[in-house]
Amino acid sequence: AQSVTQLDSQVPVFEEAPVELRCNYSSSVSVYLFWYVQYPNQGLQLLLKYLSGSTLVKGINGFEAEFNKSQTSFHLRKPSVHISDTAEYFCAVSDLAETSGSRLTFGEGTQLTVNP
Amino acid sequence: DGGITQSPKYLFRKEGQNVTLSCEQNLNHDAMYWYRQDPGQGLRLIYYSQIVNDFQKGDIAEGYSVSREKKESFPLTVTSAQKNPTAFYLCASSIVKGVEAFFGQGTRLTVV
Repeated sequence: AQSVTQLDSQVPVFEEAPVELRCNYSSSVSVYLFWYVQYPNQGLQLLLKYLSGSTLVKGINGFEAEFNKSQTSFHLRKPSVHISDTAEYFCAVSDLAETSGSRLTFGEGTQLTVNP
Repeated sequence: DGGITQSPKYLFRKEGQNVTLSCEQNLNHDAMYWYRQDPGQGLRLIYYSQIVNDFQKGDIAEGYSVSREKKESFPLTVTSAQKNPTAFYLCASSIVKGVEAFFGQGTRLTVV
């Protein structure tokens, strides 16, 4: 079984400031890791994913995340945020041993609010 | 354009009534999923299907039913047995051994 913990339910920041959204996971097997973004009353859009290889993953909209196997973390970062980054962000894992495609386990979400 | 279409976007029903949420995809994906989203709880898997005429329960299947008669369609019925049906429902699809799920825009169900 897997679990995902997003350590902050809400993160308020000022525009142009850096931001880090924290995600820890627990799994007995190797996993794929994902960050999704959700705007109000919308579906989820994939920001970035870690499958293998380089532990620093770059995604859309200037976001990046670093996979740390020893700390079982996958924190999301952006060096300078914009008002338009205000949204809810979800960390998710998929078990490499899972045969049912992209069956994802999600964290509870982090609401990022960017203030002018 | 390829994608996943959920309809309707908003749905209101009286308590005790069954209601069916539609999910259609034209991505030629074999696997489809239904998630429920509640504030502060992330997304929880209700049902998933890897192939036509086959589906499996997810983590919170009680009070829900699905069918998969066509590859493109995976409707979800919220039955009167579901104790707290008011929520945001998201449909997703992927290739069976793929690593990325694509999501629809969601249906917000309110039961009064």
